[in-house]
Amino acid sequence: AQSVTQPDIHITVSEGASLELRCNYSYGATPYLFWYVQSPGQGLQLLLKYFSGDTLVQGIKGFEAEFKRSQSSFNLRKPSVHWSDAAEYFCAVGFSYDKVIFGPGTSLSVIP
Amino acid sequence: NAGVTQTPKFRILKIGQSMTLQCTQDMNHNYMYWYRQDPGMGLKLIYYSVGAGITDKGEVPNGYNVSRSTTEDFPLRLELAAPSQTSVYFCASSRNSGRTPDTQYFGPGTRLTVL
Repeated sequence: AQSVTQPDIHITVSEGASLELRCNYSYGATPYLFWYVQSPGQGLQLLLKYFSGDTLVQGIKGFEAEFKRSQSSFNLRKPSVHWSDAAEYFCAVGFSYDKVIFGPGTSLSVIP
Repeated sequence: NAGVTQTPKFRILKIGQSMTLQCTQDMNHNYMYWYRQDPGMGLKLIYYSVGAGITDKGEVPNGYNVSRSTTEDFPLRLELAAPSQTSVYFCASSRNSGRTPDTQYFGPGTRLTVL
């Protein structure tokens, strides 16, 4: 069955520290991959996406993600976290044009 | 450019009441979606539309109805509200070409409580 998992429900990091948020999917082929961010009380905003090509993709706000086919993963990274990065992060996987599944989300807290 | 707008922002309903959540996009996107977001559950797709006059069920369609008479508008109707429909509802749109999913643009959400 097609599924998306984000193993970490909540992560706390110190400001200036590096960040990695995990995303795994279950699918027999290469899907379309997205990371979205949701600030409190807001809708979701796209950070980055991967469809094909270079497996390391750059996004907005200094985020990047790497697609690893062998691990069925698409982890999000940022080298130095800012307090304004505190938010909910969602990995989304597009299995077809009409089937995009969102992961359960990872809540990020940033300690000043 | 307003993007995706949703009204109302908040609403409290009594069990058995009905209401319509409004969604409008001004980006001329062909695809539109309705999701519900419950704590720790991510987003669940309720209904989606690939163009005016065409709608289809998502993962959790029971208790909801939609219509898409124009490209811009995609209202969600709740009939006979139940406490299980207490949630935050998001509308989104995207410009999908061919058969590839693409970036979804989200509205600010509607927080609905059914008592």
